[in-house]
Amino acid sequence: DQQVKQNSPSLSVQEGRISILNCDYTNSMFDYFLWYKKYPAEGPTFLISISSIKDKNEDGRFTVFLNKSAKHLSLHIVPSQPGDSAVYFCAARDYNNNDMRFGAGTRLTVKP
Amino acid sequence: DVKVTQSSRYLVKRTGEKVFLECVQDMDHENMFWYRQDPGLGLRLIYFSYDVKMKEKGDIPEGYSVSREKKERFSLILESASTNQTSMYLCASSGTSGPIENYNEQFFGPGTRLTVL
Repeated sequence: DQQVKQNSPSLSVQEGRISILNCDYTNSMFDYFLWYKKYPAEGPTFLISISSIKDKNEDGRFTVFLNKSAKHLSLHIVPSQPGDSAVYFCAARDYNNNDMRFGAGTRLTVKP
Repeated sequence: DVKVTQSSRYLVKRTGEKVFLECVQDMDHENMFWYRQDPGLGLRLIYFSYDVKMKEKGDIPEGYSVSREKKERFSLILESASTNQTSMYLCASSGTSGPIENYNEQFFGPGTRLTVL
């Protein structure tokens, strides 16, 4: 039972345009959400996070939006760059268990 | 910078062998985690540990065990490897010092790609 779902396995975007990666979750006890980026042959690296008490967090070209009522979050990258091409994982923390649940990942390809 | 290292990048073992995957972190983190990554399934938690000699089962602990004798080291053990344990194994750590918003960030090692023949 996947509590965190990334329904798009891949996304292709032109350089300079906006990339929008989506994530849905089912567990209402999730109180903290993170996005990780993973290049081939490397471990995931932390990108940006958001607490459940907020609806937006911005860091440079990256913005995460949280819609608690819809149990949905999204990562916006603007403008997209070829170096952003990677697999992006959405993750959520369960307040009760203090462990993390990850989505299946979305492979983003930014074309020059 | 936080550094999480894993003993091997690639490993090939035979069915029935006992396999040890080692993970070491150098940031004095309390929490350590073992995940496996499979296509279409993302990262699934196998075991985690909040302190030395403590361990908790994750979502898919069957066929695995762990050991945490020292704070910096967390080992994943496959008692009798099977072909369905062929996967990418990722170790991670996280701490509880500094700003509270940093508590959730996990730092990952480069991964070990295990093939069981």
